[in-house]
Amino acid sequence: AQSVSQHNHHVILSEAASLELGCNYSYGGTVNLFWYVQYPGQHLQLLLKYFSGDPLVKGIKGFEAEFIKSKFSFNLRKPSVQWSDTAEYFCAVRRNSGYALNFGKGTSLLVTP
Amino acid sequence: NAGVTQTPKFQVLKTGQSMTLQCAQDMNHNSMYWYRQDPGMGLRLIYYSASEGTTDKGEVPNGYNVSRLNKREFSLRLESAAPSQTSVYFCASSPQGYEQYFGPGTRLTVT
Repeated sequence: AQSVSQHNHHVILSEAASLELGCNYSYGGTVNLFWYVQYPGQHLQLLLKYFSGDPLVKGIKGFEAEFIKSKFSFNLRKPSVQWSDTAEYFCAVRRNSGYALNFGKGTSLLVTP
Repeated sequence: NAGVTQTPKFQVLKTGQSMTLQCAQDMNHNSMYWYRQDPGMGLRLIYYSASEGTTDKGEVPNGYNVSRLNKREFSLRLESAAPSQTSVYFCASSPQGYEQYFGPGTRLTVT
């Protein structure tokens, strides 16, 4: 069973539209949560992370994510997307007792001018 | 500070050939990882090394072997390549318990 689920596989938005990408996980216990971005032809880069504290975390390039423990969710948001946000976005979860990250299958975002 | 480096960037193999993918990091991280990325599958962990001298299997270890040569280097070996191993391979490193930093990837095609 998929342990990290990203609900939207392909998203197309116009510039200035708002973005929300869903991520749910099925692990119990303490987790660390991440969103990575992969621009075309490039390697993965960290957008933001949650370890503890304020469940609303802010990352680079105007992205933010909210951890809702009761819903096992860590959705990514951006109020106004730009063409340069066209990329693939991956949610990842690390159990606090482990080393490896478990990735979702990714969401491909296309932002049109 | 180059971060995580991988060689080669591209490789084409025939079925049955062997090769080693090299990875090195200069961030003094304890942990290193090998992932493969396939369309629609996200990243799947092949092997990881929590610290120098240890290696453990990930989600998809079959057909691969690894060596943690020292703290900096973590290599991935395909002993007898198969078409199913056509993929993009990413190496990553992390301080223990923190986020992972990824290399630029190796695009491997097995014909």
